[in-house]
Order: sequence, then structure tokens, then C-alpha cells
Amino acid sequence: EAQVTQNPRYLITVTGKKLTVTCSQNMNHEYMSWYRQDPGLGLRQIYYSMNVEVTDKGDVPEGYKVSRKEKRNFPLILESPSPNQTSLYFCASSPHLGQSANADTQYFGPGTRLTVL
Amino acid sequence: SQQGEEDPQALSIQEGENATMNCSYKTSINNLQWYRQNSGRGLVHLILIRSNEREKHSGRLRVTLDTSKKSSSLLITASRAADTASYFCATAYSSASKIIFGSGTRLSIRP
Repeated sequence: EAQVTQNPRYLITVTGKKLTVTCSQNMNHEYMSWYRQDPGLGLRQIYYSMNVEVTDKGDVPEGYKVSRKEKRNFPLILESPSPNQTSLYFCASSPHLGQSANADTQYFGPGTRLTVL
Repeated sequence: SQQGEEDPQALSIQEGENATMNCSYKTSINNLQWYRQNSGRGLVHLILIRSNEREKHSGRLRVTLDTSKKSSSLLITASRAADTASYFCATAYSSASKIIFGSGTRLSIRP
């Protein structure tokens, strides 16, 4: 089944304790992206990747890191989480091709609800 | 900053009525997409309209795009209880691959 998976789905942690949220897609998509969703603010893009070893900042990259060593995986790393990073996080992928092309239809993972105490 | 702004923020209608929601954006775009989200779940893609298109249909959905006004509308006809969800527009910039989502419209369908 074609899908985007995220792990963990729920996580409660404490300030400063490094964590990684994994994202994997089995559709051979080139474009992958991370979003956070907060009440009243919709989804805001954190980082995106147009292909392996190519990543770029979205609108709210501060406090986050990503890597794209393989096409299927795009982990989100919080080196030193803080309470303002408590949010619902979504990973998404899309099949667009070409460095200058724009992303097309995005397929979303089920979300990771993160609480930082 | 949010590129897409949606209007209204919340909409409650009777089952069977039509629902219209609007999205405005600020800069030139390559395409505009509409997504649906059921409470706290992942977003599901509904329809994509490219900047050179003016109208697109998919089942009970009709999307229009007015690039001169930098706005789009999503019409859901003959609404059903299952249409209760939040709806988001998302724009892709012409010159980059950033995606900007609006803050969404919460649609409630009354039986």
C-alpha cells in the first residue's frame, strides 16, 4: 500500500532532550516536506527536500534539522526541544520531478503529536 | 508569513446545501491545491488547479482560480455529513518549491 509513515505517533518529552521523528514513503517520491500544525495557524512548512542530499528551509525552520540521505526517508530532528515546539507534525511527499519544478499533489502521513514539557 | 488566507474561518450549513469557501494569496503561484482534514488526522488532497486554468471540477467539487485577484474558491455541492472537516488551500510559488498553507475553513454540516 502506497503510504507515508511517521514514528512515533505520540511523544511526550522534556526540554532539551534530543529527539528524532522519522518519516518514510514507499512511493519513490522526490519531494518530501515537514509541517507543523498549531491551532489557528494552519500548517506551516518547516523544511523540504527536492531530492537526496537537497534540503531547504521552509517558513519556520528554527530549532529543527533534517537530513535526506535516502530517497524514502526524511527524519526531523529536534536537537534541544523547547515547549514552543509542542505541536502536531506532519510529513508529506510528492512525486514531482526536476529541480525547477514545483511540488504537485502531496501525500500526508498520519501525524506526530509532540508535547515538550 | 501565511500566504493563503481563507474565508470564512468557520461555516455551518444544512445537509444538502452548497458550501463555498475562499482563499486569497499574495504572490504569483504555479498551482493552488485544496486539501481536507478530518479532526487531527493527515490531510487528504482534493484538487489541484494550475495557474493557467480558471476552473476545475471533481465530482461534487468545483474550484475556480482568479490570478488577477489572487484568489480561489472551493464549492462543495449537495453537502453531506461526511463533508464535515477543515479545508485548506495551499499554494506553490512559481520560483521555488515552498508550499504555503492557509489557516483553513472549518465546515460543519448539520443533519
